[in-house]
Amino acid sequence: DSGVTQTPKHLITATGQRVTLRCSPRSGDLSVYWYQQSLDQGLQFLIQYYNGEERAKGNILERFSAQQFPDLHSELNLSSLELGDSALYFCASSVDGGTGFNGYTFGSGTRLTVV
Amino acid sequence: GQNIDQPTEMTATEGAIVQINCTYQTSGFNGLFWYQQHAGEAPTFLSYNVLDGLEEKGRFSSFLSRSKGYSYLLLKELQMKDSASYLCAVRRYNTDKLIFGTGTRLQVFP
Repeated sequence: DSGVTQTPKHLITATGQRVTLRCSPRSGDLSVYWYQQSLDQGLQFLIQYYNGEERAKGNILERFSAQQFPDLHSELNLSSLELGDSALYFCASSVDGGTGFNGYTFGSGTRLTVV
Repeated sequence: GQNIDQPTEMTATEGAIVQINCTYQTSGFNGLFWYQQHAGEAPTFLSYNVLDGLEEKGRFSSFLSRSKGYSYLLLKELQMKDSASYLCAVRRYNTDKLIFGTGTRLQVFP
């Protein structure tokens, strides 16, 4: 167990629907990152939150949104789903930046299948 | 922008040594990470280089040359369980965001 918890592990939904993916970071970590990994693709950075505030944004679609709550858990909302959104979605967490940063700890991911 | 290149696939024999290369082009480089990812599972941290040179950790070592924009991951005494994808990721100054390469899928044969 990495300490980063993602739910659900698997999700199957229809095109046009909306889903919410949840992530609880490792205890003590203030940053949460979301990545998308499609079949045979690398990890694509979506968005980072730090202590409740958005800190960095990648190529996240307008149909996708995220937030980090006061208890530091984060949710990634995916709406108007398309077949191409089928992927593994990973959450990762880290300590604060600067000299304390030594990479991420990843959750086990949510496998989203859009049918 | 950033560009990270790794070979797509490599094969090796159990007990052998394999070197996985990663080249990158980025401004404000501030560290390079290697992660291991088994199919369908979460990436797990292997190594971190921010200064030039070799970092050794058991059977795994990682090397960095900042002037050449080059790193490699060296795996010794290969085991079947080392069959996985190996991801190279770069960090820039003033950000904790990691940009990942597409990964190198390593297959170890008996």
